[in-house]
Amino acid sequence: KAGVTQTPRYLIKTRGQQVTLSCSPISGHRSVSWYQQTPGQGLQFLFEYFSETQRNKGNFPGRFSGRQFSNSRSEMNVSTLELGDSALYLCASSLGQSGTEAFFGQGTRLTVV
Amino acid sequence: SQQGEEDPQALSIQEGENATMNCSYKTSINNLQWYRQNSGRGLVHLILIRSNEREKHSGRLRVTLDTSKKSSSLLITASRAADTASYFCAPYASGNTPLVFGKGTRLSVIA
Repeated sequence: KAGVTQTPRYLIKTRGQQVTLSCSPISGHRSVSWYQQTPGQGLQFLFEYFSETQRNKGNFPGRFSGRQFSNSRSEMNVSTLELGDSALYLCASSLGQSGTEAFFGQGTRLTVV
Repeated sequence: SQQGEEDPQALSIQEGENATMNCSYKTSINNLQWYRQNSGRGLVHLILIRSNEREKHSGRLRVTLDTSKKSSSLLITASRAADTASYFCAPYASGNTPLVFGKGTRLSVIA
């Protein structure tokens, strides 16, 4: 069974631009969560989508948004990029019930210059 | 959702030695999971222990849970260089709350 796929793997953007990251979950998984990982802040929860609805949201500004499609694939968007948005963005999928095992993708490494 | 706090922040041992890392949390939980992350990659699920379990084994991994002390420990026996990674715990309480992670324990196994 294919794992969680994140695209692209690497991305370089300029300050002020916007970016869209994609995550394809494991087939049958209905929940997709997004995390931002930086050396200083560690692994921070961004948001979680379940059946096309945002179920949970972390403490990030409105520049960070996401959505989930009917096939459970998810995208996250960051607008007006700042240097501090440089990070590894990780996506995780699970069957849907909270507290169950999460399967992570390999991440998208975003560099903002 | 609640976040676990891993301790120590970093640990360096020789190959063949055992590695123990701890996780503390604040409120009652339903279960607790441990994950591993190799440098710059996604997290990999290691083990889930339920609140009514005290100990669980998976290969060279042994996890204990002490709900009275609100803590868990992960023991890796006979460590190998390939065990070099960061380890995170994720306590889960109840409801539709997301998994959140602390800063993890960074383990270095020296060959």
